[in-house]
Amino acid sequence: AQSVAQPEDQVNVAEGNPLTVKCTYSVSGNPYLFWYVQYPNRGLQFLLKYITGDNLVKGSYGFEAEFNKSQTSFHLKKPSALVSDSALYFCAVRVGGFKTIFGAGTRLFVKA
Amino acid sequence: SQTIHQWPATLVQPVGSPLSLECTVEGTSNPNLYWYRQAAGRGLQLLFYSVGIGQISSEVPQNLSASRPQDRQFILSSKKLLLSDSSFYLCAWSSPTDVQETQYFGPGTRLLVL
Repeated sequence: AQSVAQPEDQVNVAEGNPLTVKCTYSVSGNPYLFWYVQYPNRGLQFLLKYITGDNLVKGSYGFEAEFNKSQTSFHLKKPSALVSDSALYFCAVRVGGFKTIFGAGTRLFVKA
Repeated sequence: SQTIHQWPATLVQPVGSPLSLECTVEGTSNPNLYWYRQAAGRGLQLLFYSVGIGQISSEVPQNLSASRPQDRQFILSSKKLLLSDSSFYLCAWSSPTDVQETQYFGPGTRLLVL
């Protein structure tokens, strides 16, 4: 079955420290993977996507994600967290037929 | 540039009343359009998607329906709302030329059914 999992319900990090939000996937064929961010009472904002090529994908607001085919993971990273990065983060995988599966979301808290 | 609008932003409706939520996209032609429901600020559930005028695919059988009367307009409707329809509804679009179908979301409509 095709799926995406975000194993952490919440991630806490101090401002200035690096952050990682984890995502694993299960999909047949080559995956198209995405990260989105959602602020309270707002729609999702596209951060970045993996297609093919470089395993390190750079996106908006200083975020990047590392694709690891052997571990079927696509973890979101940022070298230095900001308080304003506090939000809900979604990993997603396109499964074809105009369908994209979204993970349950990981809430990121960055403490000043 | 492309923009996506949803209205109303918030809506409070009594049980059994009808519903109409509207989504419009500007700056693109023949977009793929999607309706999602998000419960309790967590995962998204795909409700409907459309690849063209009058073409609607339903993912979850329920008392909701969708229509696409114009190229860049997508409407979510119900004849009789249930308490369980209370949720955050999100519209999204993707370009028909984007193989990855990257989706861009509107600001959402929060619906409370009392």
